[in-house]
Amino acid sequence: QGQLVQSGAEVKKPGASVKVSCKASGYSFTTYAIHWLRQAPGQRPEWMGWINAGNGVTKYSQRFQGRVTITRDSPATTVYMELRSLRSEDTSVYYCAKGWGLDIWGQGTTVIVSS
Amino acid sequence: EIVMTQTPLSSPVALGQPASISCRSSQRLVHSDGKTYFSWLHQRPGQPPRLLIYEISNRFSGVPDRFSGSGAGTDFTLKISRVEAEDVGVYYCMQVTQFPYTFGQGTKLEIK
Repeated sequence: QGQLVQSGAEVKKPGASVKVSCKASGYSFTTYAIHWLRQAPGQRPEWMGWINAGNGVTKYSQRFQGRVTITRDSPATTVYMELRSLRSEDTSVYYCAKGWGLDIWGQGTTVIVSS
Repeated sequence: EIVMTQTPLSSPVALGQPASISCRSSQRLVHSDGKTYFSWLHQRPGQPPRLLIYEISNRFSGVPDRFSGSGAGTDFTLKISRVEAEDVGVYYCMQVTQFPYTFGQGTKLEIK
């Protein structure tokens, strides 16, 4: 079923950008979508968007439209999520997850936005 | 956006006893392909969510058979036949029929 390994924790100032990576292994990378979600402390997960790892087509939640970009590097079997114009409310754990059913999740990346 | 509502929000259960969690969606979750893309996930503190059940009643790889899912349309249920210590944590229902994917608010299972 594979494994997803994410990049390490980040601390950013308001207004900055963050780019989180998700390295896939153990399955055919281009066969499955990769989704990005985030989860604030004590809250339910929130879906941000996804990328078709095969052809690069993306779709984003309206809530993040214009602020988020998801890209992939197929030879490196890695997907990236960039979130811009950060504000304190973006402090969360960010997850990548595999496939339409989110069957495998990365370990999570903590992003703290603080002045 | 489809709203997912879980009950109860907290469930104290004795070891070896059954547990049940309900989830209701604001719209029917039947996709145009005829399938219902409704899932249950489990999250332990400090860990990512883990898929338990997909398409209402299918256990994901490695999930013990004490977990079962049922339901149709807008009403769904997760049952644990005999709760074990490792089952503590938060359970989320999730719909992946329609974008944006949405989650219930979570049910915290704890040992009584």
